[in-house]
Amino acid sequence: QKEVEQNSGPLSVPEGAIASLNCTYSDRGSQSFFWYRQYSGKSPELIMSIYSNGDKEDGRFTAQLNKASQYVSLLIRDSQPSDSATYLCAGRSSASKIIFGSGTRLSIRP
Amino acid sequence: DAGITQSPRHKVTETGTPVTLRCHQTENHRYMYWYRQDPGHGLRLIHYSYGVKDTDKGEVSDGYSVSRSKTEDFLLTLESATSSQTSVYFCAISETRQGGRGYRDTQYFGPGTRLTVL
Repeated sequence: QKEVEQNSGPLSVPEGAIASLNCTYSDRGSQSFFWYRQYSGKSPELIMSIYSNGDKEDGRFTAQLNKASQYVSLLIRDSQPSDSATYLCAGRSSASKIIFGSGTRLSIRP
Repeated sequence: DAGITQSPRHKVTETGTPVTLRCHQTENHRYMYWYRQDPGHGLRLIHYSYGVKDTDKGEVSDGYSVSRSKTEDFLLTLESATSSQTSVYFCAISETRQGGRGYRDTQYFGPGTRLTVL
């Protein structure tokens, strides 16, 4: 079992709708969690990081963390075609290594 | 771009030859990471460093070694390259801070190195 799991998708969402991406993790000692966006052939770009239970909002993005359920999610409101990419979830373990899930491909259809 | 460079950006080599990839940062960040990315596997951690001369293994460390003699440089070496090590290699830097604005944890990636082992 991977330490960080994501549904590989692809996830298809109509333009203007909310895209919901989910991630689970196994290391209860993990302190920080990250969401990245990666376009084909490019490096991952950090969208946001979250450390505390609850929601954290940044523009159209909201990250949610539930440590009791070992669950992290990312909501993208008002989805745009430019949001079509692979989204990567990662967690910093108690040993400070940062482990990634395999990524979810998101497609926003016009 | 968070001040991270990787060299070379592209390399083609033959099976059995040694290869060294370099990651250089200008941010003075404590943590540095090497990942490989392959279709269907996402990013997999090879090795990471939490300070000068302090390194540890990741998920897929067999066949790889690393060194960090200076804060700014983190080297990844394939002692004897194999075709299974054909991949895109990403370096990343990270820092955690506790300050007036609360706890902050970030990670940024370099541009990547595409390595082909024939």
